Parts: sequence; structure tokens; C-alpha cells
Amino acid sequence: AQKVTQAQTEISVVEKEDVTLDCVYETRDTTYYLFWYKQPPSGELVFLIRRNSFDEQNEISGRYSWNFQKSTSSFNFTITASQVVDSAVYFCALDNYDKIIFGKGTRLHILP
Amino acid sequence: DTAVSQTPKYLVTQMGNDKSIKCEQNLGHDTMYWYKQDSKKFLKIMFSYNNKELIINETVPNRFSPKSPDKAHLNLHINSLELGDSAVYFCASSPGRGKLFFGSGTQLSVL
Repeated sequence: AQKVTQAQTEISVVEKEDVTLDCVYETRDTTYYLFWYKQPPSGELVFLIRRNSFDEQNEISGRYSWNFQKSTSSFNFTITASQVVDSAVYFCALDNYDKIIFGKGTRLHILP
Repeated sequence: DTAVSQTPKYLVTQMGNDKSIKCEQNLGHDTMYWYKQDSKKFLKIMFSYNNKELIINETVPNRFSPKSPDKAHLNLHINSLELGDSAVYFCASSPGRGKLFFGSGTQLSVL
């Protein structure tokens, strides 16, 4: 069965702290893609990153970084020096032959 | 130009009514989706179409009927609306392998 687990339902941190959002996935396939999406309070869903199962290199984009570890089936997302604008619900997702399954999301509050 | 546009943004209706949500994408993608987001923010796939053909139907009640007149459009018709249908419905299109471009969502409230 394909499954995405985001164990952290809600996290609150003070601005400028670093925060890591956890994502654990299950799949029987050897080829798959993993994603993070952001849903700010305005409600739209925004693509952040896609990773394929053959590429375990970590990725950094500005204050965002992603750590993909196949050995632990995890694809964690870290925000460095968080800002109030990072407050949102973040979804991890797994693509299994174009059927994209989302985790339940982590609601992140960045407190000023 | 909005890449994926869905209308209406808000829909308030009585139980038992029939309503439709329209979605259009101008990205040239072959694949389009409908997702339902409940009050707890859980996103669940409902349907997927590839070039007007139904690919995924996730055991959605048959009161929900998607229609794709061409690959740029995927509409959702809902018959006999129930209270439990209240949610935000998102349309999305994809160039493949999971990268989704979402519409802004339709907030459906069934009274």
C-alpha cells in the first residue's frame, strides 16, 4: 500500500528559529516521486519540490532544504531562520504512477 | 493569465440540489485532477483524466460525475448534494510525474 505519514499535526516556533517537518512514506515501487506542497492561509496550493527515488542528494533552495533518505523512507523538510510568511500547512506527497497521495499535512505557525 | 482556473470560488446550496464546478487549464497538460479537501485539511484524490479519458476514480459516490469535453477542461457535476459534500474542491493539472498545478479551489457549503 502507498502511504504518506506526517506525524506532526501542528508546530509552533518563534521567528528566526529553524524547524524541520517530518515525512515518512511507504511504497512497494522502486520508481516513485516525492513532493512538498505549501498551503498558506490564503488557501492556494503551491508546489515546492519534487524528488525522484533515484536521487538521494539533499537539496537546498534559499532558506529551504530537503533531506531524502531511502533507508528510512523519509523526506524531511527544514526551514532555516523561519519567517512569519512561512506560516502555512505543508503537505508531503508521493506519486505512484500519476496517482498522487498526500499526507495529512503539518500546520506550521511562525510566531513573531 | 491564470494557469488553472476554476469557477465558482464559493458555492452555497441546499441539500438535494445539483451543482457543477468548472475547471480550465491553459498549460497544455494532458492530465487533470479533482481533489477534495475536508475541514481537517486532508487532501484526497477523487478523479484523474488523461487527454479526456478517465484514469483514476477513487471510489467516489456516483453522485459525482466528472466530464472532460477536451483536455483543457475538467468539470465536476454533483447530484443530490449532501451535508457531507461540504469541502473545498481543487482542480489541478499536471505535465506528469506528480507535479501539480492547482486552481484556487471552490469552497462548497451544503446547508
